[in-house]
Amino acid sequence: GAVVSQHPSRVICKSGTSVKIECRSLDFQATTMFWYRQFPKQSLMLMATSNEGSKATYEQGVEKDKFLINHASLTLSTLTVTSAHPEDSSFYICSARGGLAGENTGELFFGEGSRLTVL
Amino acid sequence: SQKIEQNSEALNIQEGKTATLTCNYTNYSPAYLQWYRQDPGRGPVFLLLIRENEKEKRKERLKVTFDTTLKQSLFHITASQPADSATYLCALGRALGRLYFGRGTQLTVWP
Repeated sequence: GAVVSQHPSRVICKSGTSVKIECRSLDFQATTMFWYRQFPKQSLMLMATSNEGSKATYEQGVEKDKFLINHASLTLSTLTVTSAHPEDSSFYICSARGGLAGENTGELFFGEGSRLTVL
Repeated sequence: SQKIEQNSEALNIQEGKTATLTCNYTNYSPAYLQWYRQDPGRGPVFLLLIRENEKEKRKERLKVTFDTTLKQSLFHITASQPADSATYLCALGRALGRLYFGRGTQLTVWP
């Protein structure tokens, strides 16, 4: 099946710094990518939807200036957590829908996730 | 807004038995329903998709049913194995739309 690569898998940063997480589709073109965050024992919460070449659509309650999303190509989307604070510590997961399988079935291909810890 | 409930946070069964997980939803009828498996610290992995006009879908030891009248999906793992231990998530969506996820059910299969 399709592969989505996410990097870094773990990151620890100091409060106030910015962190960038990359999400790449390795063997297909991802016209749409989604960013989720997940707290322990909680559901995946959709943060934003990004379409290649256009601005991301953010879910209600998600600060667009804090969580910057860029989908500059069909294989790469980035999430930048700006001025991170301890409450931003979470598991961030990207997913992509694209190629024949994704467009026809709605199946999402997920990355491995990035564990962010803000000290 | 869409509300998705998965019957229990945790389910423990003995190896060889059939595990049955439940997903109930409210507020609207999705075009399709998906089940994912998630292992600790990993991203979810797609298992099965069933469309609103389908009653049942099978894949190896997995079976999914979809009852749009009851607004419920059942996910079965037959002849369960310890390797099936994971959290299972149901997700609902419309055509080419975003997915709403349940909180998941943590399945433990003991020898």
